Amino acid sequence: NAGVTQTPKFRILKIGQSMTLQCAQDMNHNYMYWYRQDPGMGLKLIYYSVGAGITDKGEVPNGYNVSRSTTEDFPLRLELAAPSQTSVYFCASASGTSVTGELFFGEGSRLTVL
Amino acid sequence: GENVEQHPSTLSVQEGDSAVIKCTYSDSASNYFPWYKQELGKRPQLIIDIRSNVGEKKDQRIAVTLNKTAKHFSLHITETQPEDSAVYFCAASYRTGANNLFFGTGTRLTVIP
Repeated sequence: NAGVTQTPKFRILKIGQSMTLQCAQDMNHNYMYWYRQDPGMGLKLIYYSVGAGITDKGEVPNGYNVSRSTTEDFPLRLELAAPSQTSVYFCASASGTSVTGELFFGEGSRLTVL
Repeated sequence: GENVEQHPSTLSVQEGDSAVIKCTYSDSASNYFPWYKQELGKRPQLIIDIRSNVGEKKDQRIAVTLNKTAKHFSLHITETQPEDSAVYFCAASYRTGANNLFFGTGTRLTVIP
């Protein structure tokens, strides 16, 4: 029962570097999301996807890009990392058809930009 | 978009006492209100949710109430136990697909044995 898998769990970047956070789910969920969690600020939606080939911006998309070439994978790309992107990133998925609308989260990726 | 405010930011209770966390939302179109629990260093997990056509929902020691007129909803935990210690997030959405789920800022609950 893998659920939602994120890699890496921890990463330190230098200002201006780029990287990709990987996210994969094995529940055949249509909906996938990327959130960032800053201390005392709750979870903010960065990007989301309602199916392969379809992505859209959330509340805080600047500095990030996503793609959804398959149902399973939803990578998040950080271009030109900035200290403001230091955060914990959570990938999540949802079936889109469930009555509860429950989000299933990955374990998170802690990113530090120095 | 929706704005969800959550209070208090921290809450300490004695084991066995009750805990109440309150949230308000701004968009009257919101119709789905989940609560997530995040233990230290772990992922958030859904513990209970409520829809706008229901005023109260219970699941063992936890309950959620919703006041649509006042646009606020609350999480109630009775007979608290040390394992209830965690950060609790409320959220609001006007679509159950959750592509526009807006979260509160979280409440850190500490249950003192």
